[in-house]
Amino acid sequence: AQKVTQAQTEISVVEKEDVTLDCVYETRDTTYYLFWYKQPPSGELVFLIRRNSFDEQNEISGRYSWNFQKSTSSFNFTITASQVVDSAVYFCALRKFGNTGKLIFGQGTTLQVKP
Amino acid sequence: GAVVSQHPSRVICKSGTSVKIECRSLDFQATTMFWYRQFPKKSLMLMATSNEGSKATYEQGVEKDKFLINHASLTLSTLTVTSAHPEDSSFYICSARSRDREGNTIYFGEGSWLTVV
Repeated sequence: AQKVTQAQTEISVVEKEDVTLDCVYETRDTTYYLFWYKQPPSGELVFLIRRNSFDEQNEISGRYSWNFQKSTSSFNFTITASQVVDSAVYFCALRKFGNTGKLIFGQGTTLQVKP
Repeated sequence: GAVVSQHPSRVICKSGTSVKIECRSLDFQATTMFWYRQFPKKSLMLMATSNEGSKATYEQGVEKDKFLINHASLTLSTLTVTSAHPEDSSFYICSARSRDREGNTIYFGEGSWLTVV
């Protein structure tokens, strides 16, 4: 069975602090995709990143960075120098390789960045 | 980039009535669309997979007669909540997988807030 766990329900930081959102997944598949989405209060899901299971290179995009560790089944997300606009719910998700597109979402982590 | 549009974004309906939510892929063809439901402060739960030209595949525990899904064309899937009750109030969001593109990124609609009074 596939499962995604985001153990941190809520995180509160002060602006300019760095923050890491944890994501641990379970799957029996050897190939799969991992995603991070941002959901602001308006509700829409904003795609942040997709990572293939066979590509363990870490990625940096501006203030965002992702650490994929296949050995520990983790795909953590770090925001550097957080800003108030980063306040949102963040979801980690898993999808089978070659699957039609069904995503298994984690429970989400609510990030509050205070000024 | 790809755009998936949902309509209406917000709807209020009376108990016992039916309400239809549309999900459209605006610049690509989507053979498969997905409908999710999200309760306040909860995760997204897949309700069903909508396949163009065939019956939807429902997840366990989702009433197919209550949540009717139709995928009549490559750009449109609809979710109809029949005989709505207050407990159906939720945020419904669709996603679509492109037929012509890479196919590995799923695009989400803006979501629809349903309130049943």
